[in-house]
Amino acid sequence: EAAVTQSPRSKVAVTGGKVTLSCHQTNNHDYMYWYRQDTGHGLRLIHYSYVADSTEKGDIPDGYKASRPSQENFSLILELASLSQTAVYFCASSDRGQDTQYFGPGTRLLVL
Amino acid sequence: QQKVQQSPESLTVSEGAMASLNCTFSDGTSNNFRWYRQHSAKGLEVLVSIFSDGEKEEGRFTAHLNRANLHVSLHIREPQPSDSAVYLCAVKNNYAQGLTFGLGTRVSVFP
Repeated sequence: EAAVTQSPRSKVAVTGGKVTLSCHQTNNHDYMYWYRQDTGHGLRLIHYSYVADSTEKGDIPDGYKASRPSQENFSLILELASLSQTAVYFCASSDRGQDTQYFGPGTRLLVL
Repeated sequence: QQKVQQSPESLTVSEGAMASLNCTFSDGTSNNFRWYRQHSAKGLEVLVSIFSDGEKEEGRFTAHLNRANLHVSLHIREPQPSDSAVYLCAVKNNYAQGLTFGLGTRVSVFP
């Protein structure tokens, strides 16, 4: 049974609109992460969290917010979606920062 | 900032032959490396983790790490068509959380 799930699996959004991507894990892990995957860039870290109600910036946080309301749930929020945010977004979780990260199936976002 | 490069970009092998993938990294103090596999339109599956110089085997997958040469490799023994996927090298950053990924090697296994 999948331990990291993401919703929606795909989404089409309009430029300037608000988009919320959701992630849920049943691993009982403390750490959760959001990455984006683009052709030519590989996966890059956007935000992460190591405890509920707290989030940290990753390598490319501009244009994104994150929310960790509980240990199990981690959301990525695009307040004003832009064309450049078209990508596949992956959520991951790990027990501790050094441990293996387990990934969800990804969300394909197309901004028009 | 950590840089991770993978080669070759793509690799075609026959079923049963050995497949060898390469990954170089820039931060010689790194000590936390993982190989992931990504099937088309799917999530990432961890294959093998390695933390010290030498070899680590997980089933048909073997990782070799040589930190002096800034090099980690993955060898796939007796590859099968179901192993056709993109293979990603990931290095844990010492200075921050998160992983730095290479762009991947696309492996195609033909019967």
